[in-house]
Amino acid sequence: DTEVTQTPKHLVMGMTNKKSLKCEQHMGHRAMYWYKQKAKKPPELMFVYSYEKLSINESVPSRFSPECPNSSLLNLHLHALQPEDSALYLCASSLRDRGSYEQYFGPGTRLTVT
Amino acid sequence: GQQLNQSPQSMFIQEGEDVSMNCTSSSIFNTWLWYKQDPGEGPVLLIALYKAGELTSNGRLTAQFGITRKDSFLNISASIPSDVGIYFCAGQVSSGSARQLTFGSGTQLTVLP
Repeated sequence: DTEVTQTPKHLVMGMTNKKSLKCEQHMGHRAMYWYKQKAKKPPELMFVYSYEKLSINESVPSRFSPECPNSSLLNLHLHALQPEDSALYLCASSLRDRGSYEQYFGPGTRLTVT
Repeated sequence: GQQLNQSPQSMFIQEGEDVSMNCTSSSIFNTWLWYKQDPGEGPVLLIALYKAGELTSNGRLTAQFGITRKDSFLNISASIPSDVGIYFCAGQVSSGSARQLTFGSGTQLTVLP
């Protein structure tokens, strides 16, 4: 089983709202990732969690706040977003964050900021 | 930083034709991954390559890890309509860096009936 699940599938939020994206995997993977993807572009790495600790923050604005409650769950808390933050947000996981390990992606959350 | 050049950017082919796309890099990678992405969905891993010179197949898909470790190609044989989508290559440096995947810019494949 190589499934990563994400909820919600779609999200529309105003610039003053607070919302959260959720990601879950039960493959025993110890590295989890958030990516942002604009239309017809490759995914851009935002955050990496390794063994439930934040190991990489790719200079992401503080209006995006990641959280890893346990080894199976990854959240992305959103607050005061801008219209340009509208994108497909992808979660991924891999066995480890260093070494040659495949990353498996979830189906994504399509976020629209109005 | 590392950059991947993926070509072609887009392809229009007839159903039943074979397809070839490739990625080249100025840097060495230890792993090459090929993903396919359908509209509105996440990328799905097609093939993973771990050794220089490795040739791996997955059904109608065949991918190779270049001998120089700086390139990889993906072939699709006898294309069918469900092959439509964007194909991304991704290179990975396996040690000493947590800077994970470097993605190519993608190849948009359209299969005409």
